[in-house]
Amino acid sequence: NAGVTQTPKFQVLKTGQSMTLQCAQDMNHEYMSWYRQDPGMGLRLIHYSVGAGITDQGEVPNGYNVSRSTTEDFPLRLLSAAPSQTSVYFCASRDRVQEQYFGPGTRLTVT
Amino acid sequence: ELKVEQNPLFLSMQEGKNYTIYCNYSTTSDRLYWYRQDPGKSLESLFVLLSNGAVKQEGRLMASLDTKARLSTLHITAAVHDLSATYFCAVDIVEYGNKLVFGAGTILRVKS
Repeated sequence: NAGVTQTPKFQVLKTGQSMTLQCAQDMNHEYMSWYRQDPGMGLRLIHYSVGAGITDQGEVPNGYNVSRSTTEDFPLRLLSAAPSQTSVYFCASRDRVQEQYFGPGTRLTVT
Repeated sequence: ELKVEQNPLFLSMQEGKNYTIYCNYSTTSDRLYWYRQDPGKSLESLFVLLSNGAVKQEGRLMASLDTKARLSTLHITAAVHDLSATYFCAVDIVEYGNKLVFGAGTILRVKS
């Protein structure tokens, strides 16, 4: 049982490039979410999903897209990277008793 | 707009001392979570508080929830260096689609 996995661990992008951050969980959780963490601001919700085929926006969705074609996978797409998207990104999944499990994070730098 | 406020944001304390971190939130909540984060690492779940008056303890940490006051506390007893980390509270609001809203975090440094 790997829990929540994220790839890559580190990424450097140039402004305007696009990329996809991968997230997968093997716990059969319906609820998955993406957060970004910036210094002094805690974690902010980007997008979330309550099940395959269902996604919705969080606090800071602009510049990001998500899809949920399977229960296991919840990729986050950066459409045109900007320096303001430099951050640490965490994926999480939640079980039926509402315990939330976080992935190891992706540290993204946009130059 | 839901706000979650932690205080203090930074806490430096001596080993052996006691202290409390506070988490206030601005609307009715069903659940409150406490997490620990070590530098460069992910978040580790400490406590899930599911009802008014809930109290949970693990080692030197004890968390409580008062939903009427919209307040949770994380109490540290006889601090040790290994407790140095950043602690986050997060509030779960049903009306917000069960989205978690996090406080800014409390950086705890325990000095030996």
